[in-house]
Amino acid sequence: AQRVTQPEKLLSVFKGAPVELKCNYSYSGSPELFWYVQYSRQRLQLLLRHISRESIKGFTADLNKGETSFHLKKPFAQEEDSAMYYCALGPSGGSYIPTFGRGTSLIVHP
Amino acid sequence: GAGVSQSPRYKVAKRGQDVALRCDPISGHVSLFWYQQALGQGPEFLTYFQNEAQLDKSGLPSDRFFAERPEGSVSTLKIQRTQQEDSAVYLCASSLHPQNTGELFFGEGSRLTVL
Repeated sequence: AQRVTQPEKLLSVFKGAPVELKCNYSYSGSPELFWYVQYSRQRLQLLLRHISRESIKGFTADLNKGETSFHLKKPFAQEEDSAMYYCALGPSGGSYIPTFGRGTSLIVHP
Repeated sequence: GAGVSQSPRYKVAKRGQDVALRCDPISGHVSLFWYQQALGQGPEFLTYFQNEAQLDKSGLPSDRFFAERPEGSVSTLKIQRTQQEDSAVYLCASSLHPQNTGELFFGEGSRLTVL
């Protein structure tokens, strides 16, 4: 069964500090992984996906198959990065269903 | 509108009442999902449609929950005889192709409170 684990419910940092939001997944095949973000009073939206290997708003995420991780990183946090972040595992093995982690709340203090 | 639209945004129901939540996906999107999000939790899968076909309803918590998408566009999630544990935000999401269902477009959600 697919599973996504985000071990931290809350991550609190100061502006300018590096940020790493952890995500581990459980899946035996070739995973597709995503990060979604939900800013205050906004809808959940896609932030980035591993296959595009892009940097969005300064965030990057590298898929590490050996450690089954897909941690989200940003070298210098900004106050506007404060939000809920959800890691998601794309559908696979005949299923159409993406699986979400429980989310990490990132608070960036001025 | 261009995005996924859900209504009502907020619903307060007395225990035992029936509720209906509507989702209007992005035009042309084949895949439609319903998720339930309890306070402090991530989205939990409820059911999935590909056009009008309900291909997976394994996440529906009980037979009080029913979903339909009769014409392959608008979908309705119905909860009968609501219970307090049904209180949650119900999220609808759509995607263009079945092969691309990791990339979802979400609505703003319908927050249900059962008293």
